[in-house]
Amino acid sequence: GAGVSQSPSNKVTEKGKDVELRCDPISGHTALYWYRQSLGQGLEFLIYFQGNSAPDKSGLPSDRFSAERTGGSVSTLTIQRTQQEDSAVYLCASSLVRRGGYTFGSGTRLTVV
Amino acid sequence: DQQVKQNSPSLSVQEGRISILNCDYTNSMFDYFLWYKKYPAEGPTFLISISSIKDKNEDGRFTVFLNKSAKHLSLHIVPSQPGDSAVYFCAISYSGAGSYQLTFGKGTKLSVIP
Repeated sequence: GAGVSQSPSNKVTEKGKDVELRCDPISGHTALYWYRQSLGQGLEFLIYFQGNSAPDKSGLPSDRFSAERTGGSVSTLTIQRTQQEDSAVYLCASSLVRRGGYTFGSGTRLTVV
Repeated sequence: DQQVKQNSPSLSVQEGRISILNCDYTNSMFDYFLWYKKYPAEGPTFLISISSIKDKNEDGRFTVFLNKSAKHLSLHIVPSQPGDSAVYFCAISYSGAGSYQLTFGKGTKLSVIP
């Protein structure tokens, strides 16, 4: 596609439920990142995928968070047993080269009630 | 402990004047610096970048300045236009981290007044 696509754009879930957030990167982009932005905060790094290398999971805040990238393309971020502090905008970005400007998607606004 | 600080949460500038957005960082190992622009309900958009081997990079109305000794980065927009009104994030990376993850500041909301 022309840009990075994320779905859903908005998600309201009950505390304790699991959620899955999806990211379709730009075709051919080998690097894929997940970030989140909580209210009034900057973007917080979560996880990075590069080709077939082991992902950099150093930013995941707890073991309730996991992500996978299938076939080097689509990525899914899963949050288990959601908590209210998980409420944020989750942003996915992809890039062709390791260094350079990412292209971000519009994000998924997650609200845990 | 914030490694990247944008100390001004907001800035108002008259149309046609210069906008100067500032960013300070703490880690001297950072070696690649970027600015992103974000409109409401959209993802951030890459604007301009600079590597640590340079001290200035210019692209049209946008110029980024890097002062490594002061660990300070700034974005100049001249002349400012109403369409520049957005939140601006500085982002910094360290190649030694391996993943080129970006560390973002909290952003500065720029309002350009017609």
